[in-house]
Amino acid sequence: DTEVTQTPKHLVMGMTNKKSLKCEQHMGHRAMYWYKQKAKKPPELMFVYSYEKLSINESVPSRFSPECPNSSLLNLHLHALQPEDSALYLCASSQRGYGRERGDTQYFGPGTRLTVL
Amino acid sequence: AQKITQTQPGMFVQEKEAVTLDCTYDTSDPSYGLFWYKQPSSGEMIFLIYQGSYDQQNATEGRYSLNFQKARKSANLVISASQLGDSAMYFCAMRLDTGRRALTFGSGTRLQVQP
Repeated sequence: DTEVTQTPKHLVMGMTNKKSLKCEQHMGHRAMYWYKQKAKKPPELMFVYSYEKLSINESVPSRFSPECPNSSLLNLHLHALQPEDSALYLCASSQRGYGRERGDTQYFGPGTRLTVL
Repeated sequence: AQKITQTQPGMFVQEKEAVTLDCTYDTSDPSYGLFWYKQPSSGEMIFLIYQGSYDQQNATEGRYSLNFQKARKSANLVISASQLGDSAMYFCAMRLDTGRRALTFGSGTRLQVQP
């Protein structure tokens, strides 16, 4: 089973709203990732959690706040977003975040399509 | 820094024919992994195939095979017997086995399978 779930599928929010994206996996993976993907572009890494600790923050603005409550869950808290933050937000997980076994393959969820008005 | 190049923005293929999607990469690190992902219009990134830099044989997964030419730094995806459901965006990606371990993606190739 290589399933990563994300909720909600779609989200529309105003620039003053606070919302959260949720990601869940039950594969026993210990690394989880947030990516942002604009239309017709490849995904761009935002954050990496490894063993529930933030290991990579790609200089993401503070209006995006990640949280990893446990090894199965990853949240992305959104506050005071801008219209240019509208994108597909993808969550992924991998076994350990290191090692060469099958390259520590990342498995992605279906994404949340975010529109900021 | 590593870089992935996909030079084909769009490709057409007839149903049941084979198609090759090109990918070249650049890194000075000797240990890395190469990945192909499929992204249908629904948005989900679907893992297809993996090739390690030290793997002696080309990877295969069902109708997908990876033509790995290390000296030329290329990792082309071959899809045999194309199906209408193969129409999607395809991304080549690379990740180093040490240091910064995030995926670096190419710009993608949009494949359209015609009946």
